Amino acid sequence: GENVEQHPSTLSVQEGDSAVIKCTYSDSASNYFPWYKQELGKRPQLIIDIRSNVGEKKDQRIAVTLNKTAKHFSLHITETQPEDSAVYFCAASSSRDDKIIFGKGTRLHILP
Amino acid sequence: NAGVTQTPKFRVLKTGQSMTLLCAQDMNHEYMYWYRQDPGMGLRLIHYSVGEGTTAKGEVPDGYNVSRLKKQNFLLGLESAAPSQTSVYFCASSFYNQQAFFGQGTRLTVV
Repeated sequence: GENVEQHPSTLSVQEGDSAVIKCTYSDSASNYFPWYKQELGKRPQLIIDIRSNVGEKKDQRIAVTLNKTAKHFSLHITETQPEDSAVYFCAASSSRDDKIIFGKGTRLHILP
Repeated sequence: NAGVTQTPKFRVLKTGQSMTLLCAQDMNHEYMYWYRQDPGMGLRLIHYSVGEGTTAKGEVPDGYNVSRLKKQNFLLGLESAAPSQTSVYFCASSFYNQQAFFGQGTRLTVV
């Protein structure tokens, strides 16, 4: 079945700098890759997603890139702000079995 | 439009007791999922359903059962709770290959 690896597990960046979180997946049939943000004590919420027929997608300060050949995708947050502090999860959804499998998460700290 | 609602929000069980967690969605989603979240382990898929009357195993199905008798409801059962099942449980629903919406979570403690 699908396996999603996420790195790093913890990331600290200075406010205003950029943050990058990387994920790899194993199932070549995966075709949908969402990213979720979870604040302390809250439910995960979608921040951006990308499909396998697209290489890059951007939404204001957030961008996601996908390399199907290498089976990896990345989240880029630019001009980080204190409210970006949270846990971020990548996920992959396979057309083979319809599961949505998550990575283990990255705790992002924005330092003042 | 409530989205995804989980019942209960908190529960303490004794080892060996049984319980059912209810997930209800009002978005007419075909797909529904149950995850558990443990520190450092991310969100692990327990069971999922691709439509009314269907269920399938996820990554960590042992010790749990599910049912999807109605499209809007997805039930997660623990027949004989164990301390290892202490966790936060999240339900989610979606259309095929679309954004999944999560419930508010259920914090379960087994003592």
